[in-house]
Amino acid sequence: LAKTTQPISMDSYEGQEVNITCSHNNIATNDYITWYQQFPSQGPRFIIQGYKTKVTNEVASLFIPADRKSSTLSLPRVSLSDTAVYYCLVENPGTYKYIFGTGTRLKVLA
Amino acid sequence: EAQVTQNPRYLITVTGKKLTVTCSQNMNHEYMSWYRQDPGLGLRQIYYSMNVEVTDKGDVPEGYKVSRKEKRNFPLILESPSPNQTSLYFCASSLLAAKFMGYTFGSGTRLTVV
Repeated sequence: LAKTTQPISMDSYEGQEVNITCSHNNIATNDYITWYQQFPSQGPRFIIQGYKTKVTNEVASLFIPADRKSSTLSLPRVSLSDTAVYYCLVENPGTYKYIFGTGTRLKVLA
Repeated sequence: EAQVTQNPRYLITVTGKKLTVTCSQNMNHEYMSWYRQDPGLGLRQIYYSMNVEVTDKGDVPEGYKVSRKEKRNFPLILESPSPNQTSLYFCASSLLAAKFMGYTFGSGTRLTVV
């Protein structure tokens, strides 16, 4: 069974870079790792996904080591509007079940 | 606009009264799923569907039923709701079943069972 672990919460100041790591042992070898952002009472919103090494889009970067036992979401120069809960999502190997991480509550301070 | 539409957004019901939460997507996605979200427990998968007439249990299926008679619709049925099913429910869809490409989520249904 896939198991995921994330820090419960993090605080940061505006303009700083924030890195959130998800540990996920025993995940499917050929599936993407996906990250989501969620605001209160809203559905999770896709941020970025990757398979290995590094992926970058207009809002974030995702670093995945070769062993794929973890992934790190990097948010450059956060603003107050980035205050949200961030989740990783991985597949339970051999199934089509997708498991969310425990979630990290990011608070950005002025 | 490409989206996943859930209805209703809010629902208060009584124990034992059957209810259905509807979910519809307009993106021709193969894979659809239901999650429930509870404080301290995160998002947990209830059921999923790989395609029409193909459904399977997630991690917390007890007390729920689903059906996938058409590709676009994936209703969640609570035959006899109980207070422990009070939760925030999300429907989600993904383009391909065989190669997960990330979810599009609905706006959520907040269910209260009294």
